[in-house]
Amino acid sequence: GESVGLHLPTLSVQEGDNSIINCAYSNSASDYFIWYKQESGKGPQFIIDIRSNMDKRQGQRVTVLLNKTVKHLSLQIAATQPGDSAVYFCAEKNQAGTALIFGKGTTLSVSS
Amino acid sequence: ETGVTQSPTHLIKTRGQQVTLRCSSQSGHNTVSWYQQALGQGPQFIFQYYREEENGRGNFPPRFSGLQFPNYSSELNVNALELDDSALYLCASSLSSGGRGAYGYTFGSGTRLTVV
Repeated sequence: GESVGLHLPTLSVQEGDNSIINCAYSNSASDYFIWYKQESGKGPQFIIDIRSNMDKRQGQRVTVLLNKTVKHLSLQIAATQPGDSAVYFCAEKNQAGTALIFGKGTTLSVSS
Repeated sequence: ETGVTQSPTHLIKTRGQQVTLRCSSQSGHNTVSWYQQALGQGPQFIFQYYREEENGRGNFPPRFSGLQFPNYSSELNVNALELDDSALYLCASSLSSGGRGAYGYTFGSGTRLTVV
């Protein structure tokens, strides 16, 4: 079936470190993936997306890697800052292309 | 460019009542989706509207219904509220062709619904 999951529910890092958040997906036909950041009391905020015809995409301080062979997605945050503390979700489009399927999220805590 | 706005931000209802939540989509977007997010969980897809018609639905009962208006804004209606309906309800707008090729989903801040 369609499902998206994350490897770790929590991740704690020091300010300035690089953070890596992982996500496994099950639908090999998924063609679009998104990473969202959600702060307490707010809606998910778009970070970066990637289509299945790409292996890597870079944004400002963030990089998403897609490994279709093992159905794995990762979000790398460079020089993590306290403001990066939030819950991070990966999401994929469902087979019908009408919805996003979210994982349970990884809580990133950054200490200074 | 305005983002997605939702109203109200918070709401308390009694079990058995009905509720209507509202969403204004981001400028330039033509598709609206609704998600339910229980505490500590990821958002769960309720349904999507494109060209004022529902064109995708998640595993939610018929008492969850919606509308999309010509200006692409949308409403989520929930009848016969149950305690388990307590959650954050999120609206997301996107731009799609044909309702299935949506990209660039933008979420609002949500409506926190509490059913007592």
